[in-house]
Amino acid sequence: AQTVTQSQPEMSVQEAETVTLSCTYDTSENNYYLFWYKQPPSRQMILVIRQEAYKQQNATENRFSVNFQKAAKSFSLKISDSQLGDTAMYFCARRSGNTGKLIFGQGTTLQVKP
Amino acid sequence: EPEVTQTPSHQVTQMGQEVILRCVPISNHLYFYWYRQILGQKVEFLVSFYNNEISEKSEIFDDQFSVERPDGSNFTLKIRSTKLEDSAMYFCAGTQSTGEKLFFGSGTQLSVL
Repeated sequence: AQTVTQSQPEMSVQEAETVTLSCTYDTSENNYYLFWYKQPPSRQMILVIRQEAYKQQNATENRFSVNFQKAAKSFSLKISDSQLGDTAMYFCARRSGNTGKLIFGQGTTLQVKP
Repeated sequence: EPEVTQTPSHQVTQMGQEVILRCVPISNHLYFYWYRQILGQKVEFLVSFYNNEISEKSEIFDDQFSVERPDGSNFTLKIRSTKLEDSAMYFCAGTQSTGEKLFFGSGTQLSVL
């Protein structure tokens, strides 16, 4: 099965500290795309960061960075200098096949504590 | 930044009734999708739509579901006879190409009573 797994249902971090959210996936494709989406209580889906599998360099977007390990099929998200506004559910997703559909993990609820 | 617009934001219906969820994608997008999310659960793929036809659908997308883009702008999801288990947030999404990010609408919360 082509799955995406997030093994941490809930996490918390103190404001200004760093937290890492884990994600592993399964695929038989060689070229694909990986994403992290943030879903705040409003339930809007907001793109955090995107990684192309054929690029070795880890993607970075301000305080957000990924650790992409292609051989291990691992794609973790690191949030530095956590802010209260980072409190949300975070979904890891893989782009699949020619239609470009996203396959999502189960999500990790992150709470940033003051 | 351009937005995907979904209406209504909340729809309440009786079991067995038909509902139509509406989406206005970003004008230069070519690939369109519907996803759903039952409260507290993950986001699930329903259907993808390209070149005016369904390109892929999931097991959830049975004969009760249909999609269309009749006028080149609105992209609709119809559920013919709603069931209690259809209660969920439904997201429309679109993109220019299959490698680019998906732009999501703000969702329609469907409540089937």
